[in-house]
Amino acid sequence: EPEVTQTPSHQVTQMGQEVILRCVPISNHLYFYWYRQILGQKVEFLVSFYNNEISEKSEIFDDQFSVERPDGSNFTLKIRSTKLEDSAMYFCASRALAGGPDTQYFGPGTRLTVL
Amino acid sequence: KNQVEQSPQSLIILEGKNCTLQCNYTVSPFSNLRWYKQDTGRGPVSLTIMTFSENTKSNGRYTATLDADTKQSSLHITASQLSDSASYICVVSPLSGTYKYIFGTGTRLKVLA
Repeated sequence: EPEVTQTPSHQVTQMGQEVILRCVPISNHLYFYWYRQILGQKVEFLVSFYNNEISEKSEIFDDQFSVERPDGSNFTLKIRSTKLEDSAMYFCASRALAGGPDTQYFGPGTRLTVL
Repeated sequence: KNQVEQSPQSLIILEGKNCTLQCNYTVSPFSNLRWYKQDTGRGPVSLTIMTFSENTKSNGRYTATLDADTKQSSLHITASQLSDSASYICVVSPLSGTYKYIFGTGTRLKVLA
């Protein structure tokens, strides 16, 4: 069964450093998402991406964040200058249809630890 | 403000018992409501999805109900198993172009032998 994959599974970085989290969505999917989950808190929406551009972003997704689909398969989240409060689990998700209540499929997540 | 609240926050039951988890939401306009299961350190996995016109949906031992008038949903788990130990998250999609998810706070279920 096709699945969303994410790398790395765990990333440790120093405050102020740039990190890139990678995701490979399910191949025929059209919508892509990033969410984050701070330890002990609920999952929060960061950004959605469709047709090679951001379709919606939350207030969390400030200028330090960017997303890119550099080729036909990868979908990346970049944090330019990490802060301690960026430590969280980051989930990538994708879904098939451009409209309608189709299900988002989540990757296993990348645990980001900022020291 | 669009919010999704769940209760209880945590629940401990014995293997074989049934349980019901609750979800209240204020998301409007509303597209659909889902229940996801999230194992510790893993991504959420979809259990059920209901649109506003559906009242109930089953997936094996999981049965979800929806009352769109009162904006409440429940997830009933029958004959619980040790592998049911996880967080159960109510997720609501507003009726918007991106169908982003608004996550509930989750209920952490522990099933004991």
